[in-house]
Amino acid sequence: AQSVTQLGSHVSVSEGALVLLRCNYSSSVPPYLFWYVQYPNQGLQLLLKYTTGATLVKGINGFEAEFKKSETSFHLTKPSAHMSDAAEYFCAGRAGNTPLVFGKGTRLSVIA
Amino acid sequence: DSGVTQTPKHLITATGQRVTLRCSPRSGDLSVYWYQQSLDQGLQFLIQYYNGEERAKGNILERFSAQQFPDLHSELNLSSLELGDSALYFCASSYQGDTEAFFGQGTRLTVV
Repeated sequence: AQSVTQLGSHVSVSEGALVLLRCNYSSSVPPYLFWYVQYPNQGLQLLLKYTTGATLVKGINGFEAEFKKSETSFHLTKPSAHMSDAAEYFCAGRAGNTPLVFGKGTRLSVIA
Repeated sequence: DSGVTQTPKHLITATGQRVTLRCSPRSGDLSVYWYQQSLDQGLQFLIQYYNGEERAKGNILERFSAQQFPDLHSELNLSSLELGDSALYFCASSYQGDTEAFFGQGTRLTVV
């Protein structure tokens, strides 16, 4: 069965600092993994995805994530936080043809 | 704009009532997914349809039902509404079951 765990419901960083949002998954088969972002009163927007191939994937707005099978992780990073990055971030996964399973979400605050 | 359209954006109704939420998927997408987002439960998968047929079922209550029509739009019917059904309901679509899903802006349901 597929499950996704996000560590930390709230992360606060200073503007210009590194952003690191943690996600671990469990899956009995190789997973597809995704990061979505949700701004207030909006839907979920896909940031990036890992399916197969290169384990370091780049997404929109300067975000990237690395799939580490040995650690069952798919952490999201951005070298330098911007005020506009403040939002809720969701890690999600699916194994094969199953529906997306989401983590609980991490709220990112950026302090000026 | 994800290309997924949900109506209405907001809905306020009384306990015991029935409502219908509508979703138009992206052009060409055959799969439609319904998710419920609440503060305590996070994003919960409800049900998936693929080309008119039910493909997968999640934590969907018996009071809830859905269908996908020949033009591929979908409706989620919620009946005998309770206060606890107040939540954001998202529709998502994808072309094939093993790719990313694109989300609509959601319908915010408030049961009073």
